[in-house]
Amino acid sequence: GAVVSQHPSWVICKSGTSVKIECRSLDFQATTMFWYRQFPKQSLMLMATSNEGSKATYEQGVEKDKFLINHASLTLSTLTVTSAHPEDSSFYICSEVGGFYGYTFGSGTRLTVV
Amino acid sequence: GENVEQHPSTLSVQEGDSAVIKCTYSDSASNYFPWYKQELGKRPQLIIDIRSNVGEKKDQRIAVTLNKTAKHFSLHITETQPEDSAVYFCAATGGSQGNLIFGKGTKLSVKP
Repeated sequence: GAVVSQHPSWVICKSGTSVKIECRSLDFQATTMFWYRQFPKQSLMLMATSNEGSKATYEQGVEKDKFLINHASLTLSTLTVTSAHPEDSSFYICSEVGGFYGYTFGSGTRLTVV
Repeated sequence: GENVEQHPSTLSVQEGDSAVIKCTYSDSASNYFPWYKQELGKRPQLIIDIRSNVGEKKDQRIAVTLNKTAKHFSLHITETQPEDSAVYFCAATGGSQGNLIFGKGTKLSVKP
């Protein structure tokens, strides 16, 4: 089936620093990548949608200047959490859509900001 | 936009019993309804899905039913085993970006 490689799987960073999360589509050219955030014991909530070659679309309440999304190629989408703070600590997961396999999720990134 | 409600939030059953989780959705245009199992710290794992042109689908101990008129779909797990313990999420298409909208999840505990 389709595979999305997400890195890193976990990261600990200091408050005020930036963290980049990468999602790479290994066998499918994903023109669209969804970025979800999941707080402990909660559901997955869509943060933003990245589209190859165009600006990302952000959900209401998500700061686009804080969560920078880049989708420069059909196989790579990145999410950068800028000036991270403890309240940004969460599980971030990407998902591509398309083809026979429907929605394929990355393995997720556990971000802890200290 | 689409709204997905999921019940119950927690479910505890004895090993060997059946478990049923129910979801309702609001957007009649939604056409794809997957169910995911998520273990702590891991990605959601697709366990079964159903499209709007089908009323029921079964895969071994797992089945999903869809009632388009009532806008609800259910997950049925028979002969539950301790390894079925996890959080289960239902989802539906209907997000404004073509994304899935998730229910709030059901924590299933199967007691040996």
